[in-house]
Amino acid sequence: AQSVTQPDIHITVSEGASLELRCNYSYGATPYLFWYVQSPGQGLQLLLKYFSGDTLVQGIKGFEAEFKRSQSSFNLRKPSVHWSDAAEYFCAVGAREGANNLFFGTGTRLTVIP
Amino acid sequence: KAGVTQTPRYLIKTRGQQVTLSCSPISGHRSVSWYQQTPGQGLQFLFEYFSETQRNKGNFPGRFSGRQFSNSRSEMNVSTLELGDSALYLCASSIDGSQETQYFGPGTRLLVL
Repeated sequence: AQSVTQPDIHITVSEGASLELRCNYSYGATPYLFWYVQSPGQGLQLLLKYFSGDTLVQGIKGFEAEFKRSQSSFNLRKPSVHWSDAAEYFCAVGAREGANNLFFGTGTRLTVIP
Repeated sequence: KAGVTQTPRYLIKTRGQQVTLSCSPISGHRSVSWYQQTPGQGLQFLFEYFSETQRNKGNFPGRFSGRQFSNSRSEMNVSTLELGDSALYLCASSIDGSQETQYFGPGTRLLVL
């Protein structure tokens, strides 16, 4: 069965600092991988996705993520965080075949301090 | 293109009542999935509809049901509400459900008193 682990419940970074949010997944094959962001009281916005090909994927708002098969990881990075990046971030895994539903991690809440 | 829309955005019900939530997918999208988000359980998959048929179902009791119409709009119904049903209910649409990217609506926040 698929599962996703986001080890960091809450991260605080200074504005302008770099950011890395961790995501580890469990899946029998290479899954589809996603990062979503959720602002308070809002739905989920897709930041980026990995289906196949280049393991370093670029997303919106300056985010990128790297798929590492050997580590079963899909960490999200941003070189310089902006105050508007404060939100909750969810990593999700989807199966390549069969049911079209996503399994989400528990999320990482990002606080940005000036 | 308009995004996924959900109505109502907020809802207050009492225990034992039933509720119906609505989701309109992105134009051209035929797959609609529903998720429940709570502080304790996080984001959990409820069910997915494609071409008016439930194609996949999560691990929720039968009180949770849904349907999809010919225009791909979907409704979710919860009967005999319990306090624990208080949550943000998110709807997501994708083109045809073949492991395509899912786009989420803003959600309906349900409070059960």
